[in-house]
Amino acid sequence: GAVVSQHPSRVICKSGTSVKIECRSLDFQATTMFWYRQFPKKSLMLMATSNEGSKATYEQGVEKDKFLINHASLTLSTLTVTSAHPEDSSFYICSAVRTSGRDEQFFGPGTRLTVL
Amino acid sequence: GENVEQHPSTLSVQEGDSAVIKCTYSDSASNYFPWYKQELGKRPQLIIDIRSNVGEKKDQRIAVTLNKTAKHFSLHITETQPEDSAVYFCAASMGGSYIPTFGRGTSLIVHP
Repeated sequence: GAVVSQHPSRVICKSGTSVKIECRSLDFQATTMFWYRQFPKKSLMLMATSNEGSKATYEQGVEKDKFLINHASLTLSTLTVTSAHPEDSSFYICSAVRTSGRDEQFFGPGTRLTVL
Repeated sequence: GENVEQHPSTLSVQEGDSAVIKCTYSDSASNYFPWYKQELGKRPQLIIDIRSNVGEKKDQRIAVTLNKTAKHFSLHITETQPEDSAVYFCAASMGGSYIPTFGRGTSLIVHP
């Protein structure tokens, strides 16, 4: 099956710093990648849709200047949490949709962000 | 937009029993319905999916049924095992690059 990786898996940072999370599709091309945030025992909350070569589409209530998304290639999307605060602590998961046309999403393993 | 409701939020069963999780959706244009299993701290994994041109699909102990008229679909797990314990999410989308909408999840606990 298709593989999506995420890096780092865990990150602890100080309040006010920025953190970059990478999402890679390892064996397929992904025109579209999604970024989700998940709180403990809660569902996946879509933050934004990342489209290769164009600006990301953010969901209502998600600050685009705080959560910067770049999808520079068909295999890489990055999410940068700028000026992180403790309330940004969460589990961030990306997913990728294969460009070949199937509907299936492939999820990354997630990144646990803790802001002190 | 699409709205997906999922019930129950928690389901506790004895090993060997069957478990059923139900979801409803609002947008009749939705035609792709995947189910994901997520273990604690791990990524959601697709376990089964169904498209609107079929009413039922089965894969060993797991089956999914779809009622397009009523706009609901269900996940059935038979002969449950402790390793089935996880959170299960349903989703609905119009396929292609359309963004899926997820249900709120069901925490399934299988007691040995």
